Amino acid sequence: DTEVTQTPKHLVMGMTNKKSLKCEQHMGHRAMYWYKQKAKKPPELMFVYSYEKLSINESVPSRFSPECPNSSLLNLHLHALQPEDSALYLCASSQEAFGGQPQHFGDGTRLSIL
Amino acid sequence: QKEVEQNSGPLSVPEGAIASLNCTYSDRGSQSFFWYRQYSGKSPELIMFIYSNGDKEDGRFTAQLNKASQYVSLLIRDSQPSDSATYLCAVLYSSASKIIFGSGTRLSIRP
Repeated sequence: DTEVTQTPKHLVMGMTNKKSLKCEQHMGHRAMYWYKQKAKKPPELMFVYSYEKLSINESVPSRFSPECPNSSLLNLHLHALQPEDSALYLCASSQEAFGGQPQHFGDGTRLSIL
Repeated sequence: QKEVEQNSGPLSVPEGAIASLNCTYSDRGSQSFFWYRQYSGKSPELIMFIYSNGDKEDGRFTAQLNKASQYVSLLIRDSQPSDSATYLCAVLYSSASKIIFGSGTRLSIRP
């Protein structure tokens, strides 16, 4: 079991739907991340939150909207996604965003866009 | 030149032997290096991290770092079938303040 919890584990949605992915950690980490991973590719960074503030947005399309309600929670709001957005979405956390400490990943949400 | 390079494999190693996984990186200022193991359909799991030149051992795993050669490796002793997975090398790039992942090496341990 990982200490970063992601829900749901699987999500199937249509291109007009609105849904949210959730991530929670209770390790006292102050940095949280969203990654996207396609099959047989490495994780691709989307967003970095440091002390609940958005620090890095890797030019992600606006149909992905991150939110960090508090230091333990991270959401990713999805709207009007495209079939190419189907992927494994990973949340990770670390003690600090730029301190060089390891990132710990959740189990991921497997997203399928119909 | 890719920022973090790994041989994609597959690397086939007999059970009980030593598996050696290699990674090179281009940012000379990088200070933090990580190895993740990823089983098919699962999320990456942290195996080792190393910050200083030399070797770092944890059980059957040894990470080796040579900053002068910009090279980091992972040795797995007494390889088991359960070690069959993709191993991702990750480097914290000082210039970008983010982790860059290699494309991963697929390791297969044959009984």
